Amino acid sequence: NAGVTQTPKFRILKIGQSMTLQCTQDMNHNYMYWYRQDPGMGLKLIYYSVGAGITDKGEVPNGYNVSRSTTEDFPLRLELAAPSQTSVYFCASKSDPGRNQPQHFGDGTRLSIL
Amino acid sequence: GESVGLHLPTLSVQEGDNSIINCAYSNSASDYFIWYKQESGKGPQFIIDIRSNMDKRQGQRVTVLLNKTVKHLSLQIAATQPGDSAVYFCAEILPYGGATNKLIFGTGTLLAVQP
Repeated sequence: NAGVTQTPKFRILKIGQSMTLQCTQDMNHNYMYWYRQDPGMGLKLIYYSVGAGITDKGEVPNGYNVSRSTTEDFPLRLELAAPSQTSVYFCASKSDPGRNQPQHFGDGTRLSIL
Repeated sequence: GESVGLHLPTLSVQEGDNSIINCAYSNSASDYFIWYKQESGKGPQFIIDIRSNMDKRQGQRVTVLLNKTVKHLSLQIAATQPGDSAVYFCAEILPYGGATNKLIFGTGTLLAVQP
């Protein structure tokens, strides 16, 4: 039972490089989310999706893009990496209907921009 | 404003003791709350949740208490074990964009269990 799987686990980028953080879930969840977690802080929502083909911005979307072509996959794209994007990125999903359902998280991607 | 905060950033307890982790929330419209446990190098793991029409909910060794009058949430862990050492986050659920829920996380409390 894989749940939410994120790849890669670690990555170092140079300023200005681009990369895609992968997220896939095998629970057939329609709702998916991307968060970032800075050291000693809680999680902040970057983007979310309520189903294939539908995405929307969260609290801190600048510098990121997402797509949702399938129910299973929700990749996060950094086009021009900046030091401020050094963080741990978590993908999450939850089932629907109902707003009172917990989100299930992957183990994160640790990204450093140098 | 919207905020969920924790009173104690670090809590140190002896193995076998009970632990109480506290959380304050500011939005009286919130009607669903979740406690997550995050171990080093892992993502947040769901522990227990509670809806605003309840004051108390029990799980296995964990109990969540909700006091809506003072907008306070607590997580009680009975007979704390070394494996309970982690950062604990409370999260508040608010309506967001009409299509999903905005999950507001607090900054976390580090629980350190001493053998």
